[in-house]
Amino acid sequence: DAKTTQPPSMDCAEGRAANLPCNHSTISGNEYVYWYRQIHSQGPQYIIHGLKNNETNEMASLIITEDRKSSTLILPHATLRDTAVYYCIVRVDNQGGKLIFGQGTELSVKP
Amino acid sequence: KAGVTQTPRYLIKTRGQQVTLSCSPISGHRSVSWYQQTPGQGLQFLFEYFSETQRNKGNFPGRFSGRQFSNSRSEMNVSTLELGDSALYLCASSANTGSAYEQYFGPGTRLTVT
Repeated sequence: DAKTTQPPSMDCAEGRAANLPCNHSTISGNEYVYWYRQIHSQGPQYIIHGLKNNETNEMASLIITEDRKSSTLILPHATLRDTAVYYCIVRVDNQGGKLIFGQGTELSVKP
Repeated sequence: KAGVTQTPRYLIKTRGQQVTLSCSPISGHRSVSWYQQTPGQGLQFLFEYFSETQRNKGNFPGRFSGRQFSNSRSEMNVSTLELGDSALYLCASSANTGSAYEQYFGPGTRLTVT
């Protein structure tokens, strides 16, 4: 079972920041938080991942709370092309390459 | 670098037949994982191969099998196809096995079983 909880859907205005929350209250100390997104019928796209510290790359920022029980993915200036299902995944350390996908958050960016 | 490639992109098969799907990972990546995506069950992990060895396996029947070659390319096979096997089959590659290594997905193979 997925170890994360996400809202099923969110809306965001084009050009504004999109903040996608994720709860992972049972996360263990050596488990990473990953974010992927999937645009309809395409393969999931890797966005960002982190362990304890906040992370930023060219696509997004990942903010992890100090107790690591929740995190937020931030798309700083959402565009229509960011409309997708966003998956927050906690990777269990002893399961190698296995990703357990939940239902994700369907983000709709509106003009 | 070229991304993950999967062939074929689309496939139609009949119940009872078998099918083989192919995945070429990103150059230098040694781990390949396979996933099945259906509207009802979402994205589900099938198995992972690393250095030609199966490292992890999901909860799928033995009709689903795979292998990895010395060049890290991977194939998955489904025997005795059932209607419920209709799905998008995705493979993902990563540089190494383990939770610290991000996976990159291919575009998928859309399998339709009639």
